[in-house]
Amino acid sequence: GDSVTQTEGLVTLTKGLPVMLNCTYQTTYSPFLFWYVQHLNEAPKLLLKSSTDNKRTEHQGFYATLHKSSSSFHLQKSSVQLSDSALYFCALKGTQVVGQLTFGRGTRLQVYA
Amino acid sequence: GGIITQTPKFLIGQEGQKLTLKCQQNFNHDTMYWYRQDSGKGLRLIYYSITENDLQKGDLSEGYDASREKKSSFSLTVTSAQKNEMAVFLCASSTRDRGDTQYFGPGTRLLVL
Repeated sequence: GDSVTQTEGLVTLTKGLPVMLNCTYQTTYSPFLFWYVQHLNEAPKLLLKSSTDNKRTEHQGFYATLHKSSSSFHLQKSSVQLSDSALYFCALKGTQVVGQLTFGRGTRLQVYA
Repeated sequence: GGIITQTPKFLIGQEGQKLTLKCQQNFNHDTMYWYRQDSGKGLRLIYYSITENDLQKGDLSEGYDASREKKSSFSLTVTSAQKNEMAVFLCASSTRDRGDTQYFGPGTRLLVL
């Protein structure tokens, strides 16, 4: 079946520094990848998504490129802010079956002043 | 725009009790989902429904029942609450398009004493 592997656990950074949160996936189908962000005590919200190979997609200063050759969809930002502190989930829609999103375990990003 | 409402926000139950969680959406989306969120384990799909009166099991369906009597509402029942269980249950909805965003509700926090 489909699977998603993310950077484990907690990533801590000082504001202004760059960040990369890793996401790799496995599927036998054509992949559609998503990044969701969940701030404390809030609902997860879509950050960005892509199904196009080697094309960078951006939103709110975050960006990611789907690389089918390496089965990766890493999330990056060039300069993190305090407000970026949140839980980030990578998710995969590989199967053709409606509704089947496979989530990674999540990476918590904590940004300090 | 639209919104997903989940009730109750907090649910405290006793071991062995049957507990029902409710979800309403006004996006007019066809597909609705129930996920369970445990710390360090990401989001795991319990049930989903692609239309009124449809039910599909996710990976975590054992111990749960679901009901979709109307397009706008989707209920989840914990058939027998487990002692010391603590989790967040998230409801989501989307269209049937493969790349469509899932929109999440704020969650119901369950604690079983």
